[in-house]
Amino acid sequence: QVTLKESGPVLVKPTETLTLTCTVSGFSLSNARMGVSWIRQPPGKALEWLAHIFSNDEKSYSTSLKSRLTISKDTSKSQVVLTMTNMDPVDTATYYCARIGPSGSYFVDYWGQGTLVTVSS
Amino acid sequence: EIVLTQSPATLSLSPGERATLSCRASQGVSSYLAWYQQKPGQAPRLLIYDASNRATGIPARFSGSGPGTDFTLTISSLEPEDFAVYYCQQRSNWPPRLTFGGGTKVEIK
Repeated sequence: QVTLKESGPVLVKPTETLTLTCTVSGFSLSNARMGVSWIRQPPGKALEWLAHIFSNDEKSYSTSLKSRLTISKDTSKSQVVLTMTNMDPVDTATYYCARIGPSGSYFVDYWGQGTLVTVSS
Repeated sequence: EIVLTQSPATLSLSPGERATLSCRASQGVSSYLAWYQQKPGQAPRLLIYDASNRATGIPARFSGSGPGTDFTLTISSLEPEDFAVYYCQQRSNWPPRLTFGGGTKVEIK
């Protein structure tokens, strides 16, 4: 059974750095052609893709947020970590980690439950 | 950067009616298009991948068409549990980046 679970702070202050951890089970981060994405959703708004990382350490970032994001993985711990610097109230959102299925089309086949992060002083 | 435009923003229909949702890409995305359903307070769920393939466990009343720039998600006969928000998503060629559309809300008329 594939599961993904996000963890991290529920509240961060403006200008702080956000660190989110995704712990996966039911598959290995060393599986070829499988990846993990971070996707966020501000309250009442659409989904926004942030970044992804694959077993071969291939990484890709949202063009608009690239300067603020870093994604990494610890295969032995089955964890993917996302850091976002210089947080702002507009970054308030539910942050999801999700698995990218084993296909060249990069669709998401499993999602975590999401974690709401509020940015406020 | 590819932009996905979904229309209409809201679709008001009754149970049993047919729903047709559109997703238009600003440039060709081959068949690299997926559809997701999201209900309030829940994570999205994969419905369709590669434009027309149903994900595991998705009922046959959901179908997708493409490829190219104009994609459609059709729900042949709406069930009460189908009222939700639907998103399309594509990947760019290289580097592979994901983009989501703005969503279509299917509401009960």
